Amino acid sequence: GAVVSQHPSRVICKSGTSVKIECRSLDFQATTMFWYRQFPKQSLMLMATSNEGSKATYEQGVEKDKFLINHASLTLSTLTVTSAHPEDSSFYICSARDLRGPGANVLTFGAGSRLTVL
Amino acid sequence: DAKTTQPPSMDCAEGRAANLPCNHSTISGNEYVYWYRQIHSQGPQYIIHGLKNNETNEMASLIITEDRKSSTLILPHATLRDTAVYYCIVRVATGTASKLTFGTGTRLQVTL
Repeated sequence: GAVVSQHPSRVICKSGTSVKIECRSLDFQATTMFWYRQFPKQSLMLMATSNEGSKATYEQGVEKDKFLINHASLTLSTLTVTSAHPEDSSFYICSARDLRGPGANVLTFGAGSRLTVL
Repeated sequence: DAKTTQPPSMDCAEGRAANLPCNHSTISGNEYVYWYRQIHSQGPQYIIHGLKNNETNEMASLIITEDRKSSTLILPHATLRDTAVYYCIVRVATGTASKLTFGTGTRLQVTL
């Protein structure tokens, strides 16, 4: 089945620095990817929709200048948390859909990236 | 997307069937019922989905009521590894930008 890979799985950074998280679709192309954020003991919250070759669409309340999304190829989307602060510490998860075959309507999720900002 | 209601938590003995209910009384005719689960500190995992007929795969069975206002996910023989948060999501299946909106889910604890 479709596989979505995220890197890094864990990252610790100092306050004020920027962190980039990569999301790759393996063995399939994804024109659209979704980025979620999850705080401890809470559900997943959709942050933005990443569109290949165009600007991302952000959900209400998500700062686009703080969470930069780049979807430069059909297999890679990146999320950059700029000037990270402790309140940005969270579990970031991406997802994508392989439009081929019987799994075309199923979103596949990456394993997540845990960001800790000191 | 239609809103869903799930019990916050359930327990199940290992080896027994786990039946997880979901209410989606405002579901539209073109909306599917999806089930995902999330094991601690991992990304969500797809389980099963259906429109109106009951569905079964190697992981679970999905029973959808005739009026489609509720459904039940059945794990026929629960194991400790099935301990997770289970999310019932209703959404339109088509469209590349069709996104998933997660509710609070049901935390299933499988015990010995």
